[in-house]
Amino acid sequence: AQKITQTQPGMFVQEKEAVTLDCTYDTSDPSYGLFWYKQPSSGEMIFLIYQGSYDQQNATEGRYSLNFQKARKSANLVISASQLGDSAMYFCAMRVTNAGKSTFGDGTTLTVKP
Amino acid sequence: NAGVTQTPKFRILKIGQSMTLQCAQDMNHNYMYWYRQDPGMGLKLIYYSVGAGITDKGEVPNGYNVSRSTTEDFPLRLELAAPSQTSVYFCASRPNLDRPNYGYTFGSGTRLTVV
Repeated sequence: AQKITQTQPGMFVQEKEAVTLDCTYDTSDPSYGLFWYKQPSSGEMIFLIYQGSYDQQNATEGRYSLNFQKARKSANLVISASQLGDSAMYFCAMRVTNAGKSTFGDGTTLTVKP
Repeated sequence: NAGVTQTPKFRILKIGQSMTLQCAQDMNHNYMYWYRQDPGMGLKLIYYSVGAGITDKGEVPNGYNVSRSTTEDFPLRLELAAPSQTSVYFCASRPNLDRPNYGYTFGSGTRLTVV
């Protein structure tokens, strides 16, 4: 079975600073993908970034990057130059490659202070 | 706009009533999912489907049923509603397994209250 752990229920960051949201995962499958989603206060879920277990380089998408440390089974999301609009709940998720379904963590609420 | 459409957005049910949450996608995605999100929590998988005619249980299937007669539609049926089913329900879809870097496309959610 797969498990995702997000140990930070809430985080605060000053506008324009960088922030790291933690995610650790557990699986015995060698082939999997890791995902981050954003849920603003309006409630929709938005896909941010993906990292494959065999990818050699960390994924980046604009101001989002994924700090992937395979040996430690961690997939932390780094948001650079935080903006007020980054205030939201962030979910880490994992999908074993041939399983089709994802397992989600309980999320981290990020608040960006002006 | 292309995407996942969920109806209704809000619903209040009385204990013991039944209802169907509708979900439709127009992206020709084979994979579709139903998740529930309890307040302040992550998403729990209720049911999913890998294609028309094929469905499977997730973590929390009790009290729910699904069907998938077409690629586009994946309705979720609640029978004999209970207060424990008060939650926000999300439908999601994704392309085939040959595109592993695709995240889910989510619908806007249905907020259900059982009283």
